[in-house]
Amino acid sequence: DSGVTQTPKHLITATGQRVTLRCSPRSGDLSVYWYQQSLDQGLQFLIQYYNGEERAKGNILERFSAQQFPDLHSELNLSSLELGDSALYFCASSVLTSGGTDTQYFGPGTRLTVL
Amino acid sequence: SQKIEQNSEALNIQEGKTATLTCNYTNYSPAYLQWYRQDPGRGPVFLLLIRENEKEKRKERLKVTFDTTLKQSLFHITASQPADSATYLCALKDSSYKLIFGSGTRLLVRP
Repeated sequence: DSGVTQTPKHLITATGQRVTLRCSPRSGDLSVYWYQQSLDQGLQFLIQYYNGEERAKGNILERFSAQQFPDLHSELNLSSLELGDSALYFCASSVLTSGGTDTQYFGPGTRLTVL
Repeated sequence: SQKIEQNSEALNIQEGKTATLTCNYTNYSPAYLQWYRQDPGRGPVFLLLIRENEKEKRKERLKVTFDTTLKQSLFHITASQPADSATYLCALKDSSYKLIFGSGTRLLVRP
C-alpha cells in the first residue's frame, strides 16, 4: 500500500459525459501528478501540482483539467468524453528530498471506460 | 527530440538466471534515473534511484548501473524468480520537473 488513495476504482460512462477522478496523496507529500495509461501503452504524464499550484504540464487535452485543494487532495476532471479516453488514470505523490530527488508513490488507479 | 527507449520485446528467462533490462535516453541530461516495477492493472512501484555521479547501485537482488556517456542505464535482477515477472519502467526527470517514463520492458521468468 503506497499511501496514495484514488476514487473511484472503476468508472463506466458514455461519450460526451463529464467525470471527476479524485486523489489523496500520502501524508506530507506536497506534489501530486496525474498520468494516463491506455491499454498496453506507456504512462503519459498529464499534469503536476505542487502545494496547490500547477507546476508542470504534459500532453493534457483541453477537455481535461485538474486542481489541487488546500488539503492537498487533487481532482482530475475529464469532459466531453470520447471512446479514446478509456484508460487507467494514475495519481502519484512525492516529496522533494534534501538531496534534490523525488520518488513518486502511485495510487491504485481509476479505470475509466467510455462506451 | 527527447526520447527514452526500453526494449519493447518481452524478456523471457529461466528461473535462477540474471535478467538484464536496458534503458537508453537521448537529449536529456538527467541528474538521476529511477526504475519502477508495474504489475498488470496496478500502479508502478519505485525500486531504485541512481544519481548521475553514481556508477552502480544495489538493493538485495537488484542492481542498477548508469553510464552518462553512453546515456544508458542497465537494470539487473540476479537469481530471478517467477514472482519477478512484471513490467519494468525506467524514468528520468526532465528540466521542467516532469518525470518521463519509458514504455517499459515486460519480464517473464519461467519456473
